[in-house]
Amino acid sequence: EPEVTQTPSHQVTQMGQEVILRCVPISNHLYFYWYRQILGQKVEFLVSFYNNEISEKSEIFDDQFSVERPDGSNFTLKIRSTKLEDSAMYFCASSGRSINEKLFFGSGTQLSVL
Amino acid sequence: RKEVEQDPGPFNVPEGATVAFNCTYSNSASQSFFWYRQDCRKEPKLLMSVYSSGNEDGRFTAQLNRASQYISLLIRDSKLSDSATYLCVTYSSASKIIFGSGTRLSIRP
Repeated sequence: EPEVTQTPSHQVTQMGQEVILRCVPISNHLYFYWYRQILGQKVEFLVSFYNNEISEKSEIFDDQFSVERPDGSNFTLKIRSTKLEDSAMYFCASSGRSINEKLFFGSGTQLSVL
Repeated sequence: RKEVEQDPGPFNVPEGATVAFNCTYSNSASQSFFWYRQDCRKEPKLLMSVYSSGNEDGRFTAQLNRASQYISLLIRDSKLSDSATYLCVTYSSASKIIFGSGTRLSIRP
């Protein structure tokens, strides 16, 4: 079964540093998402991406966050200046050729900001 | 009011029992609903979609009540492997998919 892949699985960084989390969505999918989950808390929507632009973003997704699909296969989440509270599991997801289809998730990147 | 609300549990039931969870949603325009399960520190995985007419997949039954804006999940003959967090999911808009905070289920031998 095709899958969404995320790298790295773990990322440790110092507060104030920039990080880039990488995702390769399923190849024929058109909708891409980033979610985060702070330990012990709910899965929170960050941003959705379609047709090379952001479709919707949450209030969490402020100016320090950005997303890109640089080459037609990778989908990246950049955090410009990490804060302690950015420590979380970040999940990438994709869905197929129409809205209202189910999400396929990657296995996540655990980000630890020290 | 939260967009999607779930009883956090935990529900602790013996193997073989039947257990049911509800989830309420606030956006009456929501069109698509799903149940996902999440094992500890893993990614959410689709359990089943929820259709207006209700649907069943083996031991799992999902129902949608649009009038009262809730969906439900029933698990029959529960197994130890059913222990997980069950996430209620809805489309808040065309491109914003919202997860509930999850209901923890623990099945004891």
